[in-house]
Amino acid sequence: KNQVEQSPQSLIILEGKNCTLQCNYTVSPFSNLRWYKQDTGRGPVSLTIMTFSENTKSNGRYTATLDADTKQSSLHITASQLSDSASYICVVSAGDDKIIFGKGTRLHILP
Amino acid sequence: DAGVTQSPTHLIKTRGQHVTLRCSPISGHKSVSWYQQVLGQGPQFIFQYYEKEERGRGNFPDRFSARQFPNYSSELNVNALLLGDSALYLCASSPSSRPSNYGYTFGSGTRLTVV
Repeated sequence: KNQVEQSPQSLIILEGKNCTLQCNYTVSPFSNLRWYKQDTGRGPVSLTIMTFSENTKSNGRYTATLDADTKQSSLHITASQLSDSASYICVVSAGDDKIIFGKGTRLHILP
Repeated sequence: DAGVTQSPTHLIKTRGQHVTLRCSPISGHKSVSWYQQVLGQGPQFIFQYYEKEERGRGNFPDRFSARQFPNYSSELNVNALLLGDSALYLCASSPSSRPSNYGYTFGSGTRLTVV
């Protein structure tokens, strides 16, 4: 069964600190993996996209990694800001056009 | 360029009523997908339309229906509303019939509350 599991479910860190969010998937055949940021009550906004051959992708202070062998991805946020408070959703696309969403990690940045 | 626009932004309905949600895709995008996102969960796929034809349907009851118009805008209709239909409804547009490969952009959503 195609599944995307994210951890932790929620995370609280102080402003300026770094953090790493995890995504494990059992999607086959794998096509690509996206990380989205979703502010409360808003639609998700794409941060990064990685295909099978890519193992790292950066977007400003956001860096995503992909290990296709272990079917794991991580999103690292450097020097967190208050505006980083949001849900971060891992989305995996399968070769048969299925798009599987994780439940997200809720990140709270404290001043 | 305008992004994906959804209307209304918020809506309150009572049980048993009917609701219509609207979505205008990015100019040039021919694919529209609808998702339901319950609080604390990831989006759940409802429908995909491409060139006015249904290309995919998620595991939702027949109370949910949709259509796409010649200008590629789309409507999602929900009949006989239940309390459990309360959610954020997201529309995503894509230039391709295969948004999993070519990418998709989400609108800001419609927050539906059923009381």
